[in-house]
Amino acid sequence: GAVVSQHPSRVICKSGTSVKIECRSLDFQATTMFWYRQFPKQSLMLMATSNEGSKATYEQGVEKDKFLINHASLTLSTLTVTSAHPEDSSFYICSARDKTGVSQPQHFGDGTRLSIL
Amino acid sequence: EDQVTQSPEALRLQEGESSSLNCSYTVSGLRGLFWYRQDPGKGPEFLFTLYSAGEEKEKERLKATLTKKESFLHITAPKPEDSATYLCAVQRLMNRDDKIIFGKGTRLHILP
Repeated sequence: GAVVSQHPSRVICKSGTSVKIECRSLDFQATTMFWYRQFPKQSLMLMATSNEGSKATYEQGVEKDKFLINHASLTLSTLTVTSAHPEDSSFYICSARDKTGVSQPQHFGDGTRLSIL
Repeated sequence: EDQVTQSPEALRLQEGESSSLNCSYTVSGLRGLFWYRQDPGKGPEFLFTLYSAGEEKEKERLKATLTKKESFLHITAPKPEDSATYLCAVQRLMNRDDKIIFGKGTRLHILP
């Protein structure tokens, strides 16, 4: 149980391209999903918290217009990296928390490796 | 300020050599402490949630314990497939949001 699917797993594209990453909870409903960025041998850095049906909450220093988040249903959140540049290359990971309680653990997708040429 | 510190940063063990990983935390009221396992190029895999001091949870060769200041992840007779990065995270009791704070992890390598 508690499976989170993230697609695509890897993206390589040219500078200036916008890239959309999907995060789906497959066997539970998630009112809250989270988007993280992880650099090599570093821990996860929270970028934003996505709440179903409302605007995402971004962490300090994360550009809202660069990283667009949509959480249109209880099972799907998307992160769009707009006009991506080489410095946006990273490992992006989403997580989802079951709507049954705030103490429920976050369950993570397998990440998206984004490479901007 | 809430903080999560994991030690050691890296640990190499021989197969069968038991050991413990440490997660020290400072938080203004703990809602929950979480342990995850992360393999290279993958997202973290949930292992345990601990809610109160004295609580213990086990899964195969892993056992997690919690005190008011720290948590330990005990690994008994590890196998090479236990090699991974183990992450600890805490959630504050009076959160206005749902976020959790991660430590930097312990990279565990079990030698056959």
